[in-house]
Amino acid sequence: NAGVTQTPKFQVLKTGQSMTLQCAQDMNHEYMSWYRQDPGMGLRLIHYSVGAGITDQGEVPNGYNVSRSTTEDFPLRLLSAAPSQTSVYFCASSYLHPGTVSTDTQYFGPGTRLTVL
Amino acid sequence: SQQGEEDPQALSIQEGENATMNCSYKTSINNLQWYRQNSGRGLVHLILIRSNEREKHSGRLRVTLDTSKKSSSLLITASRAADTASYFCATDVGGSNYKLTFGKGTLLTVNP
Repeated sequence: NAGVTQTPKFQVLKTGQSMTLQCAQDMNHEYMSWYRQDPGMGLRLIHYSVGAGITDQGEVPNGYNVSRSTTEDFPLRLLSAAPSQTSVYFCASSYLHPGTVSTDTQYFGPGTRLTVL
Repeated sequence: SQQGEEDPQALSIQEGENATMNCSYKTSINNLQWYRQNSGRGLVHLILIRSNEREKHSGRLRVTLDTSKKSSSLLITASRAADTASYFCATDVGGSNYKLTFGKGTLLTVNP
């Protein structure tokens, strides 16, 4: 199993450009999520999905779009990049704990380091 | 808003010593998870403890959960230089949604 893969590893954008960060998992996990990590801020949840066709907002969703057309893929789109979106982005996936509104162990990708000039 | 917060922010110890990190949270939870992150890398899961559990062990790791105090602790025994990393706790909001919230982490430095 490859686990959770993310592409690209590094990206530099100019203000106003758009791009898509790719995330894929091969563990048949229902739950997938995107986080951003800034120095001293820990991880903050951007968007998450509990299955194909179902997405919801996290703590910091503004400026980002997601879709979940398949169980495996969960791309994150930056609509019009801003310097404030300079960050490291992590994708994660997990099973959903049956019988509760709860996730389980999160498996993280290696991250995408994004710089917006 | 931060659901979970780790304490201390930074911890420096000698190899062989034990390291204890604490996590406090604000609302009821379904489970609490601890993760490790080596510099510049993705997070690696350490232990998940459910709200009806009080203690879990995994190798040199011991996690406790006190739901009455809304707190958890992670103990690493006989630390090694390779344990140098940031440690994060993550919590959900019990029965409410699937949003997992991470604290800002504890940076552990183990000196050889």
